[in-house]
Amino acid sequence: SQQGEEDPQALSIQEGENATMNCSYKTSINNLQWYRQNSGRGLVHLILIRSNEREKHSGRLRVTLDTSKKSSSLLITASRAADTASYFCATAASYYGNNRLAFGKGNQVVVIP
Amino acid sequence: GAGVSQTPSNKVTEKGKYVELRCDPISGHTALYWYRQSLGQGPEFLIYFQGTGAADDSGLPNDRFFAVRPEGSVSTLKIQRTERGDSAVYLCASSALAGEYNEQFFGPGTRLTVL
Repeated sequence: SQQGEEDPQALSIQEGENATMNCSYKTSINNLQWYRQNSGRGLVHLILIRSNEREKHSGRLRVTLDTSKKSSSLLITASRAADTASYFCATAASYYGNNRLAFGKGNQVVVIP
Repeated sequence: GAGVSQTPSNKVTEKGKYVELRCDPISGHTALYWYRQSLGQGPEFLIYFQGTGAADDSGLPNDRFFAVRPEGSVSTLKIQRTERGDSAVYLCASSALAGEYNEQFFGPGTRLTVL
């Protein structure tokens, strides 16, 4: 069954604004990962946060993880038109041997130039 | 360096036919994964290889689906007696290590359409 479940929203923002999307999951995890998928292209790994971490940064990306609420958020600061994509969270869990990723349905983000 | 490659990029077939989808992982990556992505959904796990063996095939939907990785590198996903419900994008990923904190690198996928 799917673990990650993003808030079912499609975001449309102006270039330069921040974009925030959320993800919730159901069982204990070892790590949570965020991926980006552009139209017609494969999934690109953005960032991985371990279950014992609460916040992580990578460039314009900021990820938080709240294991007590079983939720994560991805913040993209100063968005660019090139950030237009679908964003997926995916979880790895010991229950599944940490080898399979369970993806959510994704958030569509449109950045208007 | 070269990323994960998949061939063909598109495959159109008729219901009942047999298809093979190929994945070339990143050189040296021992772990290989197959996922399936239906329209508007996130990828769904199918099978995971560690080396030549299928370490976890619990995501394969039924016995019409089979995958091999005979030399521990290239993998082929085989679908027998295709059905219209098999239409999806089939994604392959590889990682240098298996287990915790493994970053999976995805290929562009094969779009399968069953008419």
